[in-house]
Amino acid sequence: QLVQSGTEVKKSGESLRISCKASGYRFSTYWIAWVRQMPGEGLEWMGFIYPGDSEVRYDPSFQGQVTISADKSITTAYVQWNSLKASDTAMYYCARVTGDNGLDVWGQGTVVSVSS
Amino acid sequence: DIQMTQSPSSLSASVGDRLTITCRASQSINFYLNWYQQTPGKAPKLLIFTASRLQGGVPSRFSGSGSGTDFTLTISSLQPEDFATYYCQQSYSAPWTFGQGTKVEI
Repeated sequence: QLVQSGTEVKKSGESLRISCKASGYRFSTYWIAWVRQMPGEGLEWMGFIYPGDSEVRYDPSFQGQVTISADKSITTAYVQWNSLKASDTAMYYCARVTGDNGLDVWGQGTVVSVSS
Repeated sequence: DIQMTQSPSSLSASVGDRLTITCRASQSINFYLNWYQQTPGKAPKLLIFTASRLQGGVPSRFSGSGSGTDFTLTISSLQPEDFATYYCQQSYSAPWTFGQGTKVEI
């Protein structure tokens, strides 16, 4: 399973790191994807990371805006912002990528609320 | 980036109806197309992967077909728990992209 960190309420300009703790499978051998869902909107793929070697691929819209990382010693993946904007207000999901490139296990989501 | 377009964006249906949702890719994605179901307040759930393969535990009333640029998700007999939003997603090339969603309402 994937268990995400809790709701965050922040102000514009603040930094933030949210986490996704994996258990029950070999963390290092599956990509972990991050997906954003803004209020009332659809799903957006942000990027993913291979914890085995920390290779990361970003959607161009998120490149430079967030940093995706992972610590395989504690089977946890992260998304980090250095300077939040109100437009970062959203639900963020992590999900495991299968060998067939589906997202088969999802975290429960982390709500990030940013006020200006 | 590959654009994914779903139709319709929303629809009204009744229990027992047969439902088809379509998804079109802006270029060929072979069979690298997945379908997800999302109910309000919940994380998405994988239904179909590689266009036509049913994810474990998903009822057989769900099926997927297609290849190249055109794909369909079919629900053979709509059940009350199927009222949700459905998304297609291509995993052929990064950046992976989702369709805009199809909301199925009573």
